[in-house]
Amino acid sequence: GAGVSQSPRYKVAKRGQDVALRCDPISGHVSLFWYQQALGQGPEFLTYFQNEAQLDKSGLPSDRFFAERPEGSVSTLKIQRTQQEDSAVYLCASSLAVTDMNTEAFFGQGTRLTVV
Amino acid sequence: DAKTTQPPSMDCAEGRAANLPCNHSTISGNEYVYWYRQIHSQGPQYIIHGLKNNETNEMASLIITEDRKSSTLILPHATLRDTAVYYCIVSLTGGGNKLTFGTGTQLKVEL
Repeated sequence: GAGVSQSPRYKVAKRGQDVALRCDPISGHVSLFWYQQALGQGPEFLTYFQNEAQLDKSGLPSDRFFAERPEGSVSTLKIQRTQQEDSAVYLCASSLAVTDMNTEAFFGQGTRLTVV
Repeated sequence: DAKTTQPPSMDCAEGRAANLPCNHSTISGNEYVYWYRQIHSQGPQYIIHGLKNNETNEMASLIITEDRKSSTLILPHATLRDTAVYYCIVSLTGGGNKLTFGTGTQLKVEL
């Protein structure tokens, strides 16, 4: 596809359930980011990959959150033992390069996670 | 990353110019000003960015003050489809840098 694809678009999970959110970045994009957006707030950074290397995971809110990008393309954000405060939209973004001055981030439509 | 301050909301009549202000008084010399917008139920979309010179593209113009402490995003002829939350972000350039979003400005374009 031409853009960043995320699946599923919507996910309802029972409290305590594990979930996995998928991101297909634009082909060839080196950088991949995950953001969390609570209702009425701006997106907040979770973690960053450069190819398959996770270079920054400072935004992950707890050890229940885990992200991977094993082959440097598709990424999965996993949340274990979901809690109600995990309810949010999870956004994935990719960028072509790392240091290019004119590289903007392309965002997917997000996955809306509701924990009940 | 430097913090930005934006008004929470603005209204604009369709066909008129929308001028969205942003204060970034603590911006560093090597940080750029980026603008993204987020239409309801979609992911953020890049609009424009600049360092110190004014910039224009097919979507908008960016005016940065000489002291770089503030900027204005201009949508020259706003349409209903421009209704969105607009985020002003200061960041080092390059695709490897995370974006620090604030709460943005909700722009409502009306007939």
